[in-house]
Amino acid sequence: GIQVEQSPPDLILQEGANSTLRCNFSDSVNNLQWFHQNPWGQLINLFYIPSGTKQNGRLSATTVATERYSLLYISSSQTTDSGVYFCAVAGANFGNEKLTFGTGTRLTIIP
Amino acid sequence: DAMVIQNPRYQVTQFGKPVTLSCSQTLNHNVMYWYQQKSSQAPKLLFHYYDKDFNNEADTPDNFQSRRPNTSFCFLDIRSPGLGDAAMYLCATSKGTGSYEQYFGPGTRLTVT
Repeated sequence: GIQVEQSPPDLILQEGANSTLRCNFSDSVNNLQWFHQNPWGQLINLFYIPSGTKQNGRLSATTVATERYSLLYISSSQTTDSGVYFCAVAGANFGNEKLTFGTGTRLTIIP
Repeated sequence: DAMVIQNPRYQVTQFGKPVTLSCSQTLNHNVMYWYQQKSSQAPKLLFHYYDKDFNNEADTPDNFQSRRPNTSFCFLDIRSPGLGDAAMYLCATSKGTGSYEQYFGPGTRLTVT
């Protein structure tokens, strides 16, 4: 199956700082989603971005499908941004269609 | 708002006592998924329904079963819960498989005593 790696595994930042989270994947994809898992365990959809660039407020994401990576940018971090960020992909090739999650990046924002 | 709903949010069951978790959706999506997420791990797909067609993952234990009586509802049955089944159980939906965006419910946290 498709492999998904996220980096860094942990990130601790001061409130107001900017951050970049990375997701590498091992095969062609036709689905890539970024999620924020809040302290209560709910997965919040941030972006559906199998290719290209999107922005939503302080968050933006870029996927370079040909180079098999995606980046999530968080600007002017707030304490409510704390939590685990997951990248999940579904492969474009037969047998890789299920959504496979990376191991996540745990982000802690310190006031 | 269209959404994915899971009940209950917290469930405590005894070792070996059958338990059922519920998921409903107002998105009218064709596909419903069940994921298991253990502490500090990524969600892991257990199985999914595409309409009435059931698709089990190869490594899902037989102890886990599912029912989808209609488009809106899907249930996860754990026949004989063990201590290792304590986890967050997440339900998700999508219009189709593969390239379609998945939407998750708030999850049910299962404790086994």
